[in-house]
Amino acid sequence: GNSVTQMEGPVTLSEEAFLTINCTYTATGYPSLFWYVQYPGEGLQLLLKATKADDKGSNKGFEATYRKETTSFHLEKGSVQVSDSAVYFCALSSGTSYGKLTFGQGTILTVHP
Amino acid sequence: NAGVTQTPKFRVLKTGQSMTLLCAQDMNHEYMYWYRQDPGMGLRLIHYSVGEGTTAKGEVPDGYNVSRLKKQNFLLGLESAAPSQTSVYFCASSYSTGQGGGEQFFGPGTRLTVL
Repeated sequence: GNSVTQMEGPVTLSEEAFLTINCTYTATGYPSLFWYVQYPGEGLQLLLKATKADDKGSNKGFEATYRKETTSFHLEKGSVQVSDSAVYFCALSSGTSYGKLTFGQGTILTVHP
Repeated sequence: NAGVTQTPKFRVLKTGQSMTLLCAQDMNHEYMYWYRQDPGMGLRLIHYSVGEGTTAKGEVPDGYNVSRLKKQNFLLGLESAAPSQTSVYFCASSYSTGQGGGEQFFGPGTRLTVL
C-alpha cells in the first residue's frame, strides 16, 4: 500500500534560516505529491504539488521537487519567516484512487524572531 | 463562496452517545472526504464519496457511518461514541480528475471529545 514518511519534528528555526523538511514515499504506480500546511486553529491548505517525476512545485517561496529515483519530495525554503510557523504535511495521491490522500505524520515548524 | 464548512466546531460526548457531523461545500465538487487527525499520525481517511448517493470506506471506517444524499453535503455519524474517537475531524472536497491530482479543499475542523 501507499505510505508517506516525514522527518521527525518539531523543527525550530530563527527567522531567515534555511528550511528543509524531508519526505519520502512508497506507492504503486505514479502518484501525485503534495505539501499541505495547517496554521494554528485552521484546516489544511494546499501549499504546492507535483504530478510527475522531476516536476518542481513552488509557492510562497517554498519549493519541492518530485524525485522518482529516490522516492522523495523534500520541502525547502531559503529564508523562513515567523509567519511560516505551522504544521506541514506531505501527502500523495495515486492515479486511480479518486483523489484519496495518504498523509505523513506532519512536522511542526516554529520560527522565532 | 464559503468553501467547505463544518458544524459543529466543538462537541463533547459521553461514551455511548451518538452524533452527526455535517460538512457542506459550495464549489460543486464531485468528491468529498472525511479524515480524522490524531497527534503524531497525520490525517487518516475515514470514508469518502465520489458522487451523490455513493460512499466508500477509507483507512479507518470502523465505528463511523456516512451519507451523501445531496451533492453539496456529506454527513459523518457516530452511532455509539467511544473515547478512542476523540479526535479532530476534517472534511474535504475536490473536483474529479482522471489523474488523481486534484487539490483537496479542507474545512476548519470539528474537535470532538468523548468522555
